[in-house]
Amino acid sequence: AQSVTQLDSQVPVFEEAPVELRCNYSSSVSVYLFWYVQYPNQGLQLLLKYLSGSTLVKGINGFEAEFNKSQTSFHLRKPSVHISDTAEYFCAVSGGGATNKLIFGTGTLLAVQP
Amino acid sequence: KAGVTQTPRYLIKTRGQQVTLSCSPISGHRSVSWYQQTPGQGLQFLFEYFSETQRNKGNFPGRFSGRQFSNSRSEMNVSTLELGDSALYLCASSFRSGTNEKLFFGSGTQLSVL
Repeated sequence: AQSVTQLDSQVPVFEEAPVELRCNYSSSVSVYLFWYVQYPNQGLQLLLKYLSGSTLVKGINGFEAEFNKSQTSFHLRKPSVHISDTAEYFCAVSGGGATNKLIFGTGTLLAVQP
Repeated sequence: KAGVTQTPRYLIKTRGQQVTLSCSPISGHRSVSWYQQTPGQGLQFLFEYFSETQRNKGNFPGRFSGRQFSNSRSEMNVSTLELGDSALYLCASSFRSGTNEKLFFGSGTQLSVL
């Protein structure tokens, strides 16, 4: 079975500061990892994904994440956040194959303060 | 291109009633997935349809059902509503079914069961 743990339910940060949102996964098979963002009253939008290859993945809006197999982690980072980055961030895992089924973490609210 | 459209945006029902939610995928997309989002349980996979066939199903009771039409539009139905069914129901579409595919989410239908 697969599972995702997002250790922080809320991360407050000042504008222009760096941020890291933590995600750990558990799986008995090879995994594919994703980060999605949800702005208020909207659906989810894909930030980035790791399928294979380079462990450092770059996404939209200046975000990047690093896949660490030994630590079973896929932390999301941004060197300098903006007020507009305030949103809920979800880490997700898939076991691959011909399915769109994703297992999501519980989410981390990134609260950027001026 | 128009995005994923979910109707209605908001819905209020009473216990015991049934409800049907609609999802129109992005033109050309043949895969539609449904997720339930609640504050307590987070995002949970309901089911996935591809070319009118159910590809995968989550751990939900039989009161939750869905279907996909030949134009790829999808509906989900919940019968005998319970208070715990109050949630944001999100629909996502993709061109194909598979982990490599990018999911595009709609803004969701907010269902309140009284």
